Amino acid sequence: GAVVSQHPSWVICKSGTSVKIECRSLDFQATTMFWYRQFPKQSLMLMATSNEGSKATYEQGVEKDKFLINHASLTLSTLTVTSAHPEDSSFYICSARAGTGLSNQPQHFGDGTRLSIL
Amino acid sequence: AQTVTQSQPEMSVQEAETVTLSCTYDTSESDYYLFWYKQPPSRQMILVIRQEAYKQQNATENRFSVNFQKAAKSFSLKISDSQLGDAAMYFCALCTGTASKLTFGTGTRLQVTL
Repeated sequence: GAVVSQHPSWVICKSGTSVKIECRSLDFQATTMFWYRQFPKQSLMLMATSNEGSKATYEQGVEKDKFLINHASLTLSTLTVTSAHPEDSSFYICSARAGTGLSNQPQHFGDGTRLSIL
Repeated sequence: AQTVTQSQPEMSVQEAETVTLSCTYDTSESDYYLFWYKQPPSRQMILVIRQEAYKQQNATENRFSVNFQKAAKSFSLKISDSQLGDAAMYFCALCTGTASKLTFGTGTRLQVTL
């Protein structure tokens, strides 16, 4: 149980293109979804937290107009990198969590998306 | 603000031996949870073990166990009978707040040798 599917797994596109990444919880309802960015050989950096039907909460320093997050249903969240540039190249990982509030419910992670902007 | 510190960038263990990965954390929250995640070369994040801060008993999951010292804010992971498949990056994570955000440490890369 607790499977999170993330697509695409790898995308290469030209500078200026917008790229959409999907994150789906396959066998549970994800009240909250999280988007992370991971640079090579570094830890995960939280970009934003999204709750179903609400606007995402962005971490300090993350451009909300650059990284558009939509959490339209309890099983789907999307991250759109708008007008992507080479500096946006990175590994993006989503996670999903059931329930609300602080609890021992863990975050379940997707397999990540490697984004390369030429 | 929450911080998580993993002071061992790399560790090595022989197959079938035991290894302990260190983690310390800091938070002003009284209620929180702690997790260890594993990230193999495939880069998928896999939950290894979790610990509720209000529980004194250390969590165990098969070959994995933790030594949770709340007063010292320490949360180490012990891997017994290490296997080649245990080779990965291990991240310690602190979960706080109503949004249950995770704060990750910088990770420890574990090598398992024959």
